[in-house]
Amino acid sequence: DGGITQSPKYLFRKEGQNVTLSCEQNLNHDAMYWYRQDPGQGLRLIYYSQIVNDFQKGDIAEGYSVSREKKESFPLTVTSAQKNPTAFYLCASSIKTGSHLNEQFFGPGTRLTVL
Amino acid sequence: SQQGEEDPQALSIQEGENATMNCSYKTSINNLQWYRQNSGRGLVHLILIRSNEREKHSGRLRVTLDTSKKSSSLLITASRAADTASYFCATVLNVQGAQKLVFGQGTRLTINP
Repeated sequence: DGGITQSPKYLFRKEGQNVTLSCEQNLNHDAMYWYRQDPGQGLRLIYYSQIVNDFQKGDIAEGYSVSREKKESFPLTVTSAQKNPTAFYLCASSIKTGSHLNEQFFGPGTRLTVL
Repeated sequence: SQQGEEDPQALSIQEGENATMNCSYKTSINNLQWYRQNSGRGLVHLILIRSNEREKHSGRLRVTLDTSKKSSSLLITASRAADTASYFCATVLNVQGAQKLVFGQGTRLTINP
């Protein structure tokens, strides 16, 4: 899992609650990403950030929010507006160099279940 | 539909056999990457192959890239039980001046002892 940590590993949420998933990296990477993975499926991009204090929406940003106040941290908030939040959430980071995306390093993931 | 699509969706072989997984994509790419995911874990990067490369090796892994056919393959030789995992290809997509990695749905590989 490299130098990326995610917490908690398992998270349970009641309907209508906001929850925040933590992602921290000590790899000195500029870029960070949040993905959602549903059972038997690939990864879908929620949000990404190429530099501190800047982030962009991915393919499925509705119902999610992020912040990037520090280079090492990229927390994801799952809001009550996300209608089907039960999924496996993966955070990743990469070196941002030129116009080519390098390999991404992934955290161990957080499994979110809505009760 | 997805930029990268793996084939087959599932593959089950005996230990010691070779496993081949394929990936097709739609748009031109700078590079293509393969990742492995053990059940319930994060993804691990395996190999990155650039658009001007045709073949790349890493240990028991061999990746080929055919940009004319927009396809790539991942070959695992002399498979082991520990190779049981899902394997994903990922391609770079340019979106409004930014680049993002787009993953396929993966191939679930099972190595039977």
